Amino acid sequence: DAKTTQPPSMDCAEGRAANLPCNHSTISGNEYVYWYRQIHSQGPQYIIHGLKNNETNEMASLIITEDRKSSTLILPHATLRDTAVYYCIVRVAPGAGSYQLTFGKGTKLSVIP
Amino acid sequence: AAGVIQSPRHLIKEKRETATLKCYPIPRHDTVYWYQQGPGQDPQFLISFYEKMQSDKGSIPDRFSAQQFSDYHSELNMSSLELGDSALYFCASRTRGLAGEGEQFFGPGTRLTVL
Repeated sequence: DAKTTQPPSMDCAEGRAANLPCNHSTISGNEYVYWYRQIHSQGPQYIIHGLKNNETNEMASLIITEDRKSSTLILPHATLRDTAVYYCIVRVAPGAGSYQLTFGKGTKLSVIP
Repeated sequence: AAGVIQSPRHLIKEKRETATLKCYPIPRHDTVYWYQQGPGQDPQFLISFYEKMQSDKGSIPDRFSAQQFSDYHSELNMSSLELGDSALYFCASRTRGLAGEGEQFFGPGTRLTVL
């Protein structure tokens, strides 16, 4: 699986958009970008994933650059409940494989009132 | 919606004792994963099962074993416990019935403390 690089921490004002970057310069053509988050000591929570097109769901948007070497997770209106560690994970689609997740260091997002 | 259930939620054991952690996946999920998260650490993959067969193995110590039963629940057995085994243990489940990507759903975790 491709290695990812994320800033260790970020702050965001409540109500503003939180933009979390991730670099994955060694990503392969068949690898997806996944985002999970972990609110303090809770189980990680799936947010969104994408291959090359931008994706949006009820939680967030995922913007992937055209060369796929980096991506940005956008939380459009951050709330205090979004304070968590956000993990960017790059790996092939599960298909018939096992699909275990390899968590890196992640970005600790603090939403400030 | 039903979620992944883990029991117990908290467990305190002495060194050299044994512990059994249980995981009940979301109904109709056929794949179970176990992760260990030490204090201040990121989750680390231990082992996974698909249709009751071990499908992949990560950094699981030889003192640990796991299995998945016919009802798809899974148990992680830990023997000769060491202080360093103190951690949060997460179980996650997914179904391979989904074409394509199929995300994992995590349980609330079991906090194991070894004294």
